[in-house]
Amino acid sequence: GAGVSQSPRYKVAKRGQDVALRCDPISGHVSLFWYQQALGQGPEFLTYFQNEAQLDKSGLPSDRFFAERPEGSVSTLKIQRTQQEDSAVYLCASSSDRGWTEAFFGQGTRLTVV
Amino acid sequence: QKEVEQDPGPLSVPEGAIVSLNCTYSNSAFQYFMWYRQYSRKGPELLMYTYSSGNKEDGRFTAQVDKSSKYISLFIRDSQPSDSATYLCAMFRTGNQFYFGTGTSLTVIP
Repeated sequence: GAGVSQSPRYKVAKRGQDVALRCDPISGHVSLFWYQQALGQGPEFLTYFQNEAQLDKSGLPSDRFFAERPEGSVSTLKIQRTQQEDSAVYLCASSSDRGWTEAFFGQGTRLTVV
Repeated sequence: QKEVEQDPGPLSVPEGAIVSLNCTYSNSAFQYFMWYRQYSRKGPELLMYTYSSGNKEDGRFTAQVDKSSKYISLFIRDSQPSDSATYLCAMFRTGNQFYFGTGTSLTVIP
């Protein structure tokens, strides 16, 4: 596709439910990032992949959060036993190289935990 | 203290005004300085980036970086209603993380 695609666009989960958020990066992009954006805040880093390797997961807020990119393309962010404080927009971005190159963001998945 | 500080606004200006948006940062290791624009319910899109200190101009937009003061700015000339959005500053250093400000909400009134 032409851009980064995320699905679903909106997700409502009951507290305690597990959720999986999908990111389809731009084809051929090496780097993939996940960010969490709370209402009225800037994006906060969660994790970074270079191809299939998860090189940095320092931003994951707890062990309930897990991300994978098994074949170096599509990535999934999984949140187990969701809590209300997990409600946010989850943004995925990809870039074509290591280091700094322009990162293209998807539209995000808005997660609401009720 | 957050690594990147940005006044959240909101900022409201009349059409045609010059807009000044600013961020400060604390980490001198940042090398790339970016401005993203985010419309409601959309992902951020890159407006401009600057490597190290200096100015960069692109149409009505000018980005400035002053590394000695750890201060970056975005100027928008002849602002248009279509410029109404949230503007996020972001910074990058080796380690592959983008550090974002909280964003400034801008409304340009026709």
